[in-house]
Amino acid sequence: GNSVTQMEGPVTLSEEAFLTINCTYTATGYPSLFWYVQYPGEGLQLLLKATKADDKGSNKGFEATYRKETTSFHLEKGSVQVSDSAVYFCALSDPFGTSGSARQLTFGSGTQLTVLP
Amino acid sequence: DTGVSQDPRHKITKRGQNVTFRCDPISEHNRLYWYRQTLGQGPEFLTYFQNEAQLEKSRLLSDRFSAERPKGSFSTLEIQRTEQGDSAMYLCASSPKVTGLTEAFFGQGTRLTVV
Repeated sequence: GNSVTQMEGPVTLSEEAFLTINCTYTATGYPSLFWYVQYPGEGLQLLLKATKADDKGSNKGFEATYRKETTSFHLEKGSVQVSDSAVYFCALSDPFGTSGSARQLTFGSGTQLTVLP
Repeated sequence: DTGVSQDPRHKITKRGQNVTFRCDPISEHNRLYWYRQTLGQGPEFLTYFQNEAQLEKSRLLSDRFSAERPKGSFSTLEIQRTEQGDSAMYLCASSPKVTGLTEAFFGQGTRLTVV
């Protein structure tokens, strides 16, 4: 079945530091890949996505590139801010997989990021 | 439209009681999903509706759980005879048919605590 493995946290960085959160996946078909963010007390928000190999998703200074050869979708940001403190989830959907996998998102376990001023 | 709305935000119940949660999706979205998120874990898929039809159910959805989406609008998730293991955040998401999961929007969730 499909699965997502992401770097365990928590991750603590100083403001303006470089961020990388690793994410690798296993899928039977050709998945779409996502990063979601969950701020304290709030629901999940889509941060960025990529739907095919070599696509780069970007939003709010965050970037991730869909690497089929390494089955990875690592999240990066060049200079983090205190306001980026949140839990980040990598996820996939597999639109060309079995009917079940096409209709659901499979999430990693999340990475807690804390940015200190 | 302010997005996906869930009610209540928090629910505390005694073991053995029944609870019901409501989700109002974004009005033009015909796909609706329920997920469960336990502490320190990512969300896990429970069930999926397209309009009023429930098309997919996870094995996590035991026979104590039932979900409905009458008339393809709002949805309810009921848990009967709650157990302490049901304590979790229950998330609802919706998406338009055309984009499917590439444009899924989540609500803020209902946090259930079973005591």
